[in-house]
Amino acid sequence: VVTQSPVTLSLSPGERVTLSCRTSHSVGTYLAWYQQQAGQGPRVLIYDTSSKATGIPARFSGGGSGTDFTLTISSLDPEDSAIYYCQQRGSWPYTFGQGTKLEIK
Amino acid sequence: DVLLVASGGGLVQPGGSLRLSCVASDFNLGLYILTWVRQAPGREPECIAYISPTSRTIYYADSVKGRFTVSRDNAKNSLYLQMDSLRVDDTAAYYCARDDFWGQGTLVTVSS
Repeated sequence: VVTQSPVTLSLSPGERVTLSCRTSHSVGTYLAWYQQQAGQGPRVLIYDTSSKATGIPARFSGGGSGTDFTLTISSLDPEDSAIYYCQQRGSWPYTFGQGTKLEIK
Repeated sequence: DVLLVASGGGLVQPGGSLRLSCVASDFNLGLYILTWVRQAPGREPECIAYISPTSRTIYYADSVKGRFTVSRDNAKNSLYLQMDSLRVDDTAAYYCARDDFWGQGTLVTVSS
């Protein structure tokens, strides 16, 4: 089971935010983060806990290990408004959290 | 540009079949573990199939086991998903994916 928190949040441009993802068993560092903007498919932001996918802005960073992981956006941009999912890849079936909906005021 | 282009989706009746294809551009697909991921409207994504680079290791989600078959042809830089006995709850956007990159998806609608 993969649990994300918070479920929703509303923040202003320029603010810093940290999203949380917790897994029910250790997945080592096999944890990925995705961004899904309205009407689009998910985009890989971070894989293997902290490796950034190609083209992802520097303001996105990932951390953690074992069962507790974070995605940090250092300075929010209006285009960051989206649903963020984490996914464990430590064991099959790979499973996603329910998502965190981030609104930029 | 690195691309994964999925195709083969469409409207099909319950009990019918579809074959999805995914072609890679600008990289050697044969070097990567690949997965098929689907996302039903308003739901989180679901990983439904996994295939290792040589096809030696294959996994399925319980929701599709016995009905879907994943395969690959590394010489053609392609990944496939044969979907049989389709059900209404298989309706979703289907994506081919590697660890750091997803394709654009193809829509499957199962309806009478």
